[in-house]
Amino acid sequence: NAGVTQTPKFRVLKTGQSMTLLCAQDMNHEYMYWYRQDPGMGLRLIHYSVGEGTTAKGEVPDGYNVSRLKKQNFLLGLESAAPSQTSVYFCASSSSDRSYNEQFFGPGTRLTVL
Amino acid sequence: GQNIDQPTEMTATEGAIVQINCTYQTSGFNGLFWYQQHAGEAPTFLSYNVLDGLEEKGRFSSFLSRSKGYSYLLLKELQMKDSASYLCAVTDSNYQLIWGAGTKLIIKP
Repeated sequence: NAGVTQTPKFRVLKTGQSMTLLCAQDMNHEYMYWYRQDPGMGLRLIHYSVGEGTTAKGEVPDGYNVSRLKKQNFLLGLESAAPSQTSVYFCASSSSDRSYNEQFFGPGTRLTVL
Repeated sequence: GQNIDQPTEMTATEGAIVQINCTYQTSGFNGLFWYQQHAGEAPTFLSYNVLDGLEEKGRFSSFLSRSKGYSYLLLKELQMKDSASYLCAVTDSNYQLIWGAGTKLIIKP
């Protein structure tokens, strides 16, 4: 039972390059989330999904796209990377979107955009 | 707007007790979480409060006062491995998690 996994763990991009971050969970959770974490700031929600085939915008969606083609996978895409997207990206999943919505996190992807 | 305030950094001594405070102003309230995050790692769940009062779990306890918009995490018998950031998060009226910036706890021998 691996929980939530993310690939890659580290990546360096040049401005304008594109990439996709992959998140996978084996807990059969309906809800999945992408966050970014920057020094001195709380986790900020980029996009989330309430089920296979659905996605929604979070607090900071600009410059990112997502897809949830399979229940267990949630992909985050950067079409044209910018230095402002240098951050640590966390994927999370939960079995509920109600008040008790404990989220389980992946190990994170550290992205640097030069 | 929505806001969660926590101290940026705290220092405590091994074996002692430390209290980390969290105050929140959110659009509605549907529960409060505390997570622990070691440097370079993912956040992991510590506790959940939705009713006023104290929830105890081993060396860790969490308190909530909804009328005051206030919570604290109490860590007893501090160990070096407790050095980490502690994140407070509130579920708002739309069931979205709003995160504080976290409190970095430094434990000294």
